[in-house]
Parts: sequence; C-alpha cells; structure tokens
Amino acid sequence: GQNIDQPTEMTATEGAIVQINCTYQTSGFNGLFWYQQHAGEAPTFLSYNVLDGLEEKGRFSSFLSRSKGYSYLLLKELQMKDSASYLCAVMDSNYQLIWGAGTKLIIKP
Amino acid sequence: GAVVSQHPSRVICKSGTSVKIECRSLDFQATTMFWYRQFPKQSLMLMATSNEGSKATYEQGVEKDKFLINHASLTLSTLTVTSAHPEDSSFYICSASAGTGDSSTEAFFGQGTRLTVV
Repeated sequence: GQNIDQPTEMTATEGAIVQINCTYQTSGFNGLFWYQQHAGEAPTFLSYNVLDGLEEKGRFSSFLSRSKGYSYLLLKELQMKDSASYLCAVMDSNYQLIWGAGTKLIIKP
Repeated sequence: GAVVSQHPSRVICKSGTSVKIECRSLDFQATTMFWYRQFPKQSLMLMATSNEGSKATYEQGVEKDKFLINHASLTLSTLTVTSAHPEDSSFYICSASAGTGDSSTEAFFGQGTRLTVV
C-alpha cells in the first residue's frame, strides 16, 4: 500500500531551527510537496521537490532523497506565526497526491 | 501565486437539505480541480477529481449521488452535498491546477468551507 509517515507533533522554541521529517512508500514518484496549514484554514503551498537535494526558499528549506524515500522540511529563525500543521504529500505514478497526516508544530516563546 | 476562491467559507444547514460549494480560479484556467474533505486532526482526503467538460472521477467510497460535482467551465467547479446529514459535517477544500494531471503543476487551494449540518 501507499504510506506517508511524519511525526504527529513537534515543539520548538522561537528563534530556533526545526526539522520535520517525512518518509514515503508510494506507487511511483512524481514529486513531493510540503504545505502549511493553520487551524481552520486551507493548506498553503510551501515547496516542491522532484530531484534529490536541497531547495531553499527564505527561512524554509526542503530536502529530498528519492533512493531513501525521505524528505525533510527545515524551518529557521522560528516565529510564533509558524505554529501550524505541516503536511507532506507525494504525487504517485498516477499523478495523485498521497497525503501525510500532518505534523503539528508548536512554537514556544 | 494564483488565486482560488471558495465560497461560502462557513455554512450551517438543516439535515435533509442540500448545500452547494463553489470553487473559482480567479486568474488562471483550471483544467483540473480537486475536492478534498478533512476531518479534525486528520489528513486531507481526496473525494474526487474533475476535468473541465467531463464527468468527475470519484475516489472509492465516495457516493457520487450524494456529492455532486460539476466542472462546467475552466474557472468554476461546484460541489453539492445533497440531503446533508450531521455526519457530512466537515471541512471541504477545493484545489485547482492548470495542469492535466500528467504534470507537476502546482495546485492552488481555496480557503475551504466549514459545513455544519444540524
């Protein structure tokens, strides 16, 4: 079956760095997405990786290793507004998005 | 980024009535639209995929006659929850893509609709 695993919840301190991991097992691979979702709101796009390596976009970076079925989202200089759920999603061989359950990130002052 | 507008953002309806949710792509042509449902503390669940001008493709377990999807134009898709019941209460989210499903084109999400059936 298809499976996306990410931690349920993480806690970090304002100003610090946090890494959210995502491992996947899917039928084929056509890219991996990270989304941010605040409570009661729709997800917003953060990043897309289809090749191995690190993609940096401001305070957020995303890394992909296709051979390991592994990705992480790195958030630097954490701000209170970064408190949200972070969703990892993989596009499979049928170009369907398979979603992880999300990681709830709690930022403490 | 592109804008997808979903309306209404919140709706409360009586059991047995029908509710229509609209999803519009404001500044691009959405060849493909996706409808998701999300229960509290759970992942997004894809309900159906619709391509403009053709019938929607529903995921297994999603009732076609209960969740009517119409994608009549390249900028508008609607989801109608027919004969709603309290168990249909959920957060419904649409997303739109300019791709045809065979590309990595980013999908943009609407704001979501919180449906409460009483």
